Amino acid sequence: SQQGEEDPQALSIQEGENATMNCSYKTSINNLQWYRQNSGRGLVHLILIRSNEREKHSGRLRVTLDTSKKSSSLLITASRAADTASYFCATDANRGSTLGRLYFGRGTQLTVWP
Amino acid sequence: NAGVTQTPKFQVLKTGQSMTLQCAQDMNHEYMSWYRQDPGMGLRLIHYSVGAGITDQGEVPNGYNVSRSTTEDFPLRLLSAAPSQTSVYFCASSYGVPSLAKNIQYFGAGTRLSVL
Repeated sequence: SQQGEEDPQALSIQEGENATMNCSYKTSINNLQWYRQNSGRGLVHLILIRSNEREKHSGRLRVTLDTSKKSSSLLITASRAADTASYFCATDANRGSTLGRLYFGRGTQLTVWP
Repeated sequence: NAGVTQTPKFQVLKTGQSMTLQCAQDMNHEYMSWYRQDPGMGLRLIHYSVGAGITDQGEVPNGYNVSRSTTEDFPLRLLSAAPSQTSVYFCASSYGVPSLAKNIQYFGAGTRLSVL
């Protein structure tokens, strides 16, 4: 499988703390995306980083990408209880036979306590 | 703007029954896909389509059929349901294939399927 892997599987923090989640993947990519899923809901796109970018910001989110290590990290600063959700990384496949595919990791369950 | 609509939201089947999960989008997206989500397994791609009349297999296609006769609709058919197909199914769409940076995925709310 070319599935990405998030680490840790679960993360529990207090409001106001920062949350860092990591994603590792196996093959070369064109871009990497992060999605959020609230319990019982569909996934919602958070941020996309291209393979030629090293860092990207969106509000309280900061994503880094290290293609040499095939890894990415998602940092949520000043966490809020409303950030409680599962977070998934997704990678495309930079190979002709699987260009139409998007691969998701198993996710990190983030719990932010008030 | 409805986005991606999946029906039904919940379904219980008996082993061997067939059914179709419906997915429709109103964003004129060319790319549509089906995923299943199982505990501890993340999302796994079942089938995808890069446009009307074109479909291809994902990671776990066995036991499922798809067709894409219109841009808007991408139904997923379970031919003979098995307990191993108990899962939450998500449909997603985007303007084009995921390898292009503008093509973020829009997800439906999911269909929760139990096969007894």
